[in-house]
Parts: sequence; C-alpha cells; structure tokens
Amino acid sequence: DSGVTQTPKHLITATGQRVTLRCSPRSGDLSVYWYQQSLDQGLQFLIQYYNGEERAKGNILERFSAQQFPDLHSELNLSSLELGDSALYFCASSVAPSGGTDTQYFGPGTRLTVL
Amino acid sequence: QKEVEQDPGPLSVPEGAIVSLNCTYSNSAFQYFMWYRQYSRKGPELLMYTYSSGNKEDGRFTAQVDKSSKYISLFIRDSQPSDSATYLCAMSEQGAQKLVFGQGTRLTINP
Repeated sequence: DSGVTQTPKHLITATGQRVTLRCSPRSGDLSVYWYQQSLDQGLQFLIQYYNGEERAKGNILERFSAQQFPDLHSELNLSSLELGDSALYFCASSVAPSGGTDTQYFGPGTRLTVL
Repeated sequence: QKEVEQDPGPLSVPEGAIVSLNCTYSNSAFQYFMWYRQYSRKGPELLMYTYSSGNKEDGRFTAQVDKSSKYISLFIRDSQPSDSATYLCAMSEQGAQKLVFGQGTRLTINP
C-alpha cells in the first residue's frame, strides 16, 4: 500500500458526460501528479500540482482539468467524454515539487470506461 | 518516435532464470532513471532509482544505466513466480516535474 488513495475504483459512464476522479496524497506529500494509462499510449503524464498550485502540464486535453485543495487532495475533472478517454487514471504523490529528484508514489488507479 | 522505447513483450521465462529488461531513450537531458513494477489492476510501484550512469543493486535486482548509449537495463536474478508483472522504465530531466515512461514489458515467470 503506497498510502495514496483514489476514488472511485471503477467508473462507467456514457459519451458526453462529465466525471470527477479524486486523489488523496500520502501524508506529508505536497505534490500530486495525474497520469493516464491506455493500451496504445502507455503511461502519460497529464498534470502536476504542488501545494495547491499548478506546477506542470503534460498532454492534458482542454476537456480535462484538475485542482488541488487546501487539504492537499486533488480532483481530476473529465468532461465531454469520448470513447477514447477510456483508460486507467493514476494519481501519484511526492514530497518535493520536482518529480525527477523525488520518489513518486502511485495510487491504485481509477478505471474509467466510456460507453 | 517516442522519447523512451521499451519492448512490450510478453516475456516468459522459467523460475530461477536471470531476466534482462531494457529501455532505450533519445533525450540526452534525462538524468534520473527508474524502474517500476506494476501488478495487474494495481498502481506502479517503485523498484529501483538511479541517478546518472552506473549500476545499483538491491537484493535480486540490479539496475544499469549507460548514458553514452542511452540505454538502461534491469536484471532480476533467481526469478520467482511472484516477479510476474509489467515492468516500466521511467526517466526524468533534472528539475523536471514529469516522469516519461516506457510502454512496459509484461513478464511471466513459470514455476
């Protein structure tokens, strides 16, 4: 158990809908990272927050957004969902703002299925 | 071309064999190299972490980084059925926020 929690574990929804994925980082970690894992693209970095502020953006679609709250939990919002958004979404956390120099601990993931 | 290339396998070996997993990369700015293990329906778990070139050993696992060839390896000695998982290499630049992952290699150790 990494100490990172994600809810829900599974989410099934329809095209065009909006969903929210939630992540609680390990105690003491200030950075939260979101990744998408699909069969064809592998594990792709989406976005990072550090202590409430956006720190880095990766290949995140405009239909997707995220935020980190004062209690450091984070939410990833996915809207106007398409079939291709079906994937595993992972949250990771670390102490420091720099992912390369600090170990990232991954949560168990949320499996999103868009029908 | 992807920044990090990793053969997705699958790779199947008998128990007790030495396993070699590899990744190549194109970005010479990568300084931090990691290997994650991911069991089915679980999140990736950090196995090995190496800075710059060289070798690092931890129990049955050895990580090697050859920056001149842009090539990293993970060796598993005395492989066990419990080592069956997908192994992902990951890399990062100095001061960067994101990890860049390989596609992952699915490994099966047969009893």
